[in-house]
Amino acid sequence: DAMVIQNPRYQVTQFGKPVTLSCSQTLNHNVMYWYQQKSSQAPKLLFHYYDKDFNNEADTPDNFQSRRPNTSFCFLDIRSPGLGDAAMYLCATSRVGSGANVLTFGAGSRLTVL
Amino acid sequence: DAKTTQPNSMESNEEEPVHLPCNHSTISGTDYIHWYRQLPSQGPEYVIHGLTSNVNNRMASLAIAEDRKSSTLILHRATLRDAAVYYCILRDVGSGNTGKLIFGQGTTLQVKP
Repeated sequence: DAMVIQNPRYQVTQFGKPVTLSCSQTLNHNVMYWYQQKSSQAPKLLFHYYDKDFNNEADTPDNFQSRRPNTSFCFLDIRSPGLGDAAMYLCATSRVGSGANVLTFGAGSRLTVL
Repeated sequence: DAKTTQPNSMESNEEEPVHLPCNHSTISGTDYIHWYRQLPSQGPEYVIHGLTSNVNNRMASLAIAEDRKSSTLILHRATLRDAAVYYCILRDVGSGNTGKLIFGQGTTLQVKP
């Protein structure tokens, strides 16, 4: 089945130790998004790729970076995780040009920072 | 700034209809109204979307006000599995063709047996 797959589902890291989260999709969608969701809060958009064009939200910390080497994969790099970066990280995809721009989400990667 | 306003929480009895309201007074003419829901420990999932006319699918119905400044998600018969956070989302008006969607705070729906 076409889907959005995130790995790992659970990631534990130490304060300041870099982390990479991955997202892959088989939907051939041209847009990939990364959201951060802290406990009891709504998902917050960090950035998104429209094809190869990277779009950063104005309030996304520099500590967060992203790479999209091809259509199917997108990575979230957290260069020096702090305790405040503990959250669920959600990847989503959509096809712009399909009218309503429905998003398909992965199951998320939960990051714990010790 | 949030583009939509929803009640923080609602309760429903199992097998009864549920009406989840959403206000979006700043909606633009080409914005779609999307509803997603998020079950505990899962990613959000798409429920329904609409532009101007009321919409029905196997999960729910969406009633859109004539002036499009509000909408209501209707679950016709709530089940325990419908307990989730329901998000009413507009396509961001400044996004142009990139289509990013910004979440509001959502409504936590509790379904009582």
